[in-house]
Amino acid sequence: GAGVSQSPRYKVAKRGQDVALRCDPISGHVSLFWYQQALGQGPEFLTYFQNEAQLDKSGLPSDRFFAERPEGSVSTLKIQRTQQEDSAVYLCASSLAASSGNTIYFGEGSWLTVV
Amino acid sequence: DAKTTQPTSMDCAEGRAANLPCNHSTISGNEYVYWYRQIHSQGPQYIIHGLKNNETNEMASLIITEDRKSSTLILPHATLRDTAVYYCIVRVEGTYKYIFGTGTRLKVLA
Repeated sequence: GAGVSQSPRYKVAKRGQDVALRCDPISGHVSLFWYQQALGQGPEFLTYFQNEAQLDKSGLPSDRFFAERPEGSVSTLKIQRTQQEDSAVYLCASSLAASSGNTIYFGEGSWLTVV
Repeated sequence: DAKTTQPTSMDCAEGRAANLPCNHSTISGNEYVYWYRQIHSQGPQYIIHGLKNNETNEMASLIITEDRKSSTLILPHATLRDTAVYYCIVRVEGTYKYIFGTGTRLKVLA
């Protein structure tokens, strides 16, 4: 596709349930980012991949959050045992290369509501 | 850590220029300044980015001060569809982490 694609667009999970959020970056893009955006706040960095390597996971809020990009293209963000505070929009972004100065393209986000 | 500071909100009359400031005094020498905007329920939309020189594209102009500690995004003829939250972001030096601030909520008034 032309842009970053995320699915599902909306997800309602019961507290304690596991969820998986998928990101299809722009074809050929080396860099992939995950961000979390709470209501009324700016996006906050979660993790970064360069191809299949997860080079920075400093923003993951707990060990319940796990991200992977096994073949260097599609990425999945998994949240285990969801809690109400996990309710947020999860944004995926990609860029052609890792160096600063490359345009970063964001997807529309996956809206997660934990009830 | 890199950090950006922006006014919380601004109003602009339709057809006039909107000038949105950003302070990024801790930016390192090789890092770019990026501007994005976000309309409710959508992902951030890229606007423009720059390093040292002023930049212009079909959407906006970016003016960066000589010391690179601040910048201004200029929307030359604001329309109602430009109503959004505007973020300037910078990367933390030596990392891959791009930091969003709280953003400026721009309201374009008819």
